[in-house]
Amino acid sequence: EAQVTQNPRYLITVTGKKLTVTCSQNMNHEYMSWYRQDPGLGLRQIYYSMNVEVTDKGDVPEGYKVSRKEKRNFPLILESPSPNQTSLYFCASSFGTGLNEQYFGPGTRLTVT
Amino acid sequence: GQQLNQSPQSMFIQEGEDVSMNCTSSSIFNTWLWYKQEPGEGPVLLIALYKAGELTSNGRLTAQFGITRKDSFLNISASIPSDVGIYFCAGQLRGTYKYIFGTGTRLKVLA
Repeated sequence: EAQVTQNPRYLITVTGKKLTVTCSQNMNHEYMSWYRQDPGLGLRQIYYSMNVEVTDKGDVPEGYKVSRKEKRNFPLILESPSPNQTSLYFCASSFGTGLNEQYFGPGTRLTVT
Repeated sequence: GQQLNQSPQSMFIQEGEDVSMNCTSSSIFNTWLWYKQEPGEGPVLLIALYKAGELTSNGRLTAQFGITRKDSFLNISASIPSDVGIYFCAGQLRGTYKYIFGTGTRLKVLA
């Protein structure tokens, strides 16, 4: 089944404790992206990747890192999480240029205390 | 950052009624995407639009890519209870790989 998977689905952590949220897709998509969703603000793009080893900032990249070492994986790293990063996070992927239909994972709900 | 103005924010309609929502911006987009999100799930793609003026249907859903490339609308005809959810527009900014999402339209259908 074609899908985008994220792990974990739920995470409660404390301020400053480094964490990684994994994202994997099995559709051979070149483009992958991370979003955060907050009430009243819709989805905001954090980082995106056009291909392996090619990443760029979205609208809200502060406090986040990403890497794209393999085509199928695009982890989101929070080196020192803070309470304002409490949010619902989504990973998405698409074939890329010319075929921009992004498919979303199920989401990761992160709480930073 | 850039913004997509999506309206209305919420709608309460009777089953069987038609629904219309739209997104506008001062920025120009290469692609418009429309999504539906239900509680506890990720957004699900409904319609993708790639050309200015393009009108595309998916069952009871119809969406258009505005001629100016700065807006798009989504129509739902003959609404049914399972249409309940939050609908989002998203646009890929021209000349970039960035996507901007609208703030969503919350739809409730009364049987």
